[in-house]
Order: sequence, then C-alpha cells, then structure tokens
Amino acid sequence: YVLTQPPSVSVAPGQTARITCGGNNIGSKSVHWYQQKPGQAPVLVVYDDSDRPSRIPERFSGSNSGNTATLTISRVEAGDEADYYCQVWDNSGDVVFGGGTKLTAL
Amino acid sequence: QVQLVESGGGVVQPGGSLKLSCATSGFTSSSYGMLWVRQAPGKGLEWVAFIRYDGSNKYYAESVKGRFTISRDNSKNTLDLQMDSLRAEDTAVYYCAKDLVPAGSRPYFFDYWGQGTLVTVSS
Repeated sequence: YVLTQPPSVSVAPGQTARITCGGNNIGSKSVHWYQQKPGQAPVLVVYDDSDRPSRIPERFSGSNSGNTATLTISRVEAGDEADYYCQVWDNSGDVVFGGGTKLTAL
Repeated sequence: QVQLVESGGGVVQPGGSLKLSCATSGFTSSSYGMLWVRQAPGKGLEWVAFIRYDGSNKYYAESVKGRFTISRDNSKNTLDLQMDSLRAEDTAVYYCAKDLVPAGSRPYFFDYWGQGTLVTVSS
C-alpha cells in the first residue's frame, strides 16, 4: 500500500496550510499524522483521521475521504515548520508511512 | 513521565550484526505494542518491525524480514532489535516508539518516541 504526499508546501505565516496524503481508498482506513523537526523524533499531531493528542494545539486538524486524507494547520506559525508524515496500517500487516512533506512558512 | 531511550548503535561492516535496545519507563510497557522505525540520512520514515504488547505476534517490513528480529522483556521494560546480515542500505537512525492503544492486536499509532540511535553500515 502506497501513500503519496507532496514533497513541499509553502504558506505565509497566519495562513492555512493543507498537506495531502493520497492512497487507494484511504478513506476506509484510519490515518495518523506526525510532525518531525530537524534533529528531533517524530511527534504525533493527529490520529484516527481527525483526533488530536491533548498537548497538540487546536490549529491542527485532519480529514479523510475517498482517496485523500488532509492535515490542515490553521494560522501557521514559524514554529510549525517541519516535515509532516501520514501513516496507516495496511491489513497485510504493514505499518505504512507517506514520503513526507516539508512545510515552509514563507 | 514516559521515556524511551535507545542504545546500541554504531558502525558495523556489511554482513555484520548489531543489537539495539530500547529502555522504557513511565508507563506499563507490558500493556502496549512497540515498534522500531528507521530514517536513512535525509530520507523519510520507514517502519521496521512491530511486536505485540505480550510478545505473541511480530510483524516485519519486507526489507528486513529474515535478517532482523524484534523481541521484548516486559520484566525489564526493554525492547530489542537484533540486526543480522547488515547492508549499506540499513544505515539510518533507528527509533523505538510506543503504540497509543493498550493491548492492541496489531499496530495502531505511536504517541511516544525515543531520540534515536544511529547505525552506520560501512566497510
């Protein structure tokens, strides 16, 4: 199972960033998102398509339908610059990560 | 607080072996699945292996199947990854991570990660 992400997304601070994750009928799976800053371990920011861990700001949200899942970051801040990865579990037994998207706040 | 600390990384020749360990604390490790994820220099995340909370089921990525073995000792709160027949393409930072779902029968998603340990396979 393959997850496809755009290599990069750029937005101005204060605007909304949308990072997509494409997969065959991904809407039938639960999608999870991780943020990774340089030199740091990944951090879970959204799980089960749209739920947030308690320590993650409400500016982070997710959706999933059809062949595309989307991570939305509202009111982007400089501190949101990072690589973002989507992840699913495929019923073949594999944990699958997308290739990652580098978010830049212009 | 939850902590995961990896150790055991280093430089090894192609064809060699290395054993990574992950020491856990701050949670009941016997209740959660655990996994290893790696990241080659400048590349994305790649899942390596997962072990169920009770050690009864293990899953491996195709790229490491037959060469790597994941195990855990719940009495010592440790997770291991035995890596044999290492190749240059195994060079990466290896992270251990904890599943968020307790007593899960398979991998779900991962709420705590270690800081990683670097494995370099080179002659």
